[in-house]
Amino acid sequence: GAVVSQHPSRVICKSGTSVKIECRSLDFQATTMFWYRQFPKQSLMLMATSNEGSKATYEQGVEKDKFLINHASLTLSTLTVTSAHPEDSSFYICSARDLERGNQPQHFGDGTRLSIL
Amino acid sequence: AQSVTQLGSHVSVSEGALVLLRCNYSSSVPPYLFWYVQYPNQGLQLLLKYTTGATLVKGINGFEAEFKKSETSFHLTKPSAHMSDAAEYFCAVSLRGYGQNFVFGPGTRLSVLP
Repeated sequence: GAVVSQHPSRVICKSGTSVKIECRSLDFQATTMFWYRQFPKQSLMLMATSNEGSKATYEQGVEKDKFLINHASLTLSTLTVTSAHPEDSSFYICSARDLERGNQPQHFGDGTRLSIL
Repeated sequence: AQSVTQLGSHVSVSEGALVLLRCNYSSSVPPYLFWYVQYPNQGLQLLLKYTTGATLVKGINGFEAEFKKSETSFHLTKPSAHMSDAAEYFCAVSLRGYGQNFVFGPGTRLSVLP
């Protein structure tokens, strides 16, 4: 079945570093991908909707200059956390929808655990 | 706008006992409803979904859920809990049309006691 791959699965870095997270749809095309953030013991909160070939749509309260999203192809979206600080430490999860399968649910990646020291 | 509530942030059951995880939703239009399971440090795995048709839906690992429009509920059940069912469970709602993003409930952590 359809699979979404996220890389890396875990990142530990120093404050001020920029971190890029990749989300790939492995065997289907995805015009739309979603980026979620999950703090410990909390639910997933949508950060932004990534649209292939156009600008991402950010949810209220999410800084677009802080969280850069690029969706340059139908199989890849990237989230870059710029100048990351400890408060950005979280679990980031992407999801993608299979364009050719019509009304099928989104497929989720396995997430990226980001820890900023 | 949609919203999802899950009664009980933590539920504990004995192995072999009935599992009941509650989900209520609010939506201005008939929604799509989902249950996902999340194991530690992993992404989400779809357990089951309701779109249209039969209101009792069966999913993987012996789970099922019933859509009750009058109660705006979509509770998740499993007749007999297994140790491997211990995880975090999220109920989610989406507007009709899978291109819409999901709104997730706060989650319920299920513990299974030996």
